[in-house]
Amino acid sequence: QQQVKQSPQSLIVQKGGISIINCAYENTAFDYFPWYQQFPGKGPALLIAIRPDVSEKKEGRFTISFNKSAKQFSLHIMDSQPGDSATYFCAASKGSGATNKLIFGTGTLLAVQP
Amino acid sequence: DTGVSQDPRHKITKRGQNVTFRCDPISEHNRLYWYRQTLGQGPEFLTYFQNEAQLEKSRLLSDRFSAERPKGSFSTLEIQRTEQGDSAMYLCASSATGGYGYTFGSGTRLTVV
Repeated sequence: QQQVKQSPQSLIVQKGGISIINCAYENTAFDYFPWYQQFPGKGPALLIAIRPDVSEKKEGRFTISFNKSAKQFSLHIMDSQPGDSATYFCAASKGSGATNKLIFGTGTLLAVQP
Repeated sequence: DTGVSQDPRHKITKRGQNVTFRCDPISEHNRLYWYRQTLGQGPEFLTYFQNEAQLEKSRLLSDRFSAERPKGSFSTLEIQRTEQGDSAMYLCASSATGGYGYTFGSGTRLTVV
């Protein structure tokens, strides 16, 4: 049973464009939703995270939009750059802890073309 | 380097052999996690420790897998009688309780031939 579903599997965006990656979850007990960025040969790195008491969080060019009723959240990358080319994973956990067990999505491979 | 360190980076082993991986977390982090990642998939939780106590183990962690964190610092993950299905990237991460999130290491890539 896949508790966190992520789409699309891959995405090609032109430099300067907006990249949008979507995730949906099933377990309403989830209360922490991070996004991780992974470059080839490296471990995932925390990018940005949100809790369900807010509908949007922005950090620089990265924004999470959260829809609690639809059980969906998305990552928007504004002004996408070639250096943003990586695999992005959404994740979820429960227990109000950013350091609890994470359930990851299957990942989105983003390619930003110059 | 104050990041999470994993050793070795790559390991090729024959089916049936035992392997052991090591993880050195960020020194002030009391939580340590092991995840497994196969090609094209997200990391899957295996187990985690708070200090030296192993608090949770996934059903993915069969009897052939064992993890230890004897002094609450570094951790080892051992796989006995390796199978081809064990081929994956094994990721270690650490965090401080109540912190903002994990820091992952670069992983150990295991290939079972």
